[in-house]
Amino acid sequence: DIRLTQSPSSLSASVGDRVTITCGASQNISNSLNWYQHHPGKTPKLLIYDASRLQRGVPSAFSGSGSVTHFTLTITSLQREDFAVYYCQQHFSLPYTFGQGTKVDIK
Amino acid sequence: EVQVLESGGGLVRPGESLRLSCAASGFTFSSHAMNWVRQAPGKGLEWLSAISGSGASTSYADSVKGRFTISRDNSMNTVYLQMNSLRADDTAVYYCAKSFRAGWPPGPLDYWGQGTPVTVSS
Repeated sequence: DIRLTQSPSSLSASVGDRVTITCGASQNISNSLNWYQHHPGKTPKLLIYDASRLQRGVPSAFSGSGSVTHFTLTITSLQREDFAVYYCQQHFSLPYTFGQGTKVDIK
Repeated sequence: EVQVLESGGGLVRPGESLRLSCAASGFTFSSHAMNWVRQAPGKGLEWLSAISGSGASTSYADSVKGRFTISRDNSMNTVYLQMNSLRADDTAVYYCAKSFRAGWPPGPLDYWGQGTPVTVSS
């Protein structure tokens, strides 16, 4: 199975900060990488698919980049509603796998 | 409007079985793969299983292969997860999620239900 490793596991930031989360894959997954936002107790939300494509309705403050084994999620100006847990997920090969998550909380 | 709604969770003893259901609406159900994902207490998301729109193709995570079975009834717009030989480490919130693109393999997951909790304890 493909292993995804996110960094950092958690971070503290302020409203307006620029935040970057990385996701490393254990093998080449081309651009088959998605990012989700999850507020505890709520429904996970697809933010970015195919490494860099913004899901409809997601603010343009979110962006994704990368390919092969190294990927990043960037939030250019953190808003209060962005404090959540972020997960990467690969859809290059079954079984699909998620990264361990990155918790973004308020400094 | 796409809607996904899970049901069937509850408290069971180790070794027992449980069947989860997921009713979906607002899209051409038979064209899209459906997935099950879980989140154990204090842990991250874990992809468990997927089934193609026709039901002909399925896939499972190693952690549930041989114990869990995914199926679907396209006449009812419903997908199921039959869980047998349940263990304490199967305790989690179980989410059903629709695949973004039609066809197989499942790809990104664009609509998720609210989840149904399963507790395995004696």
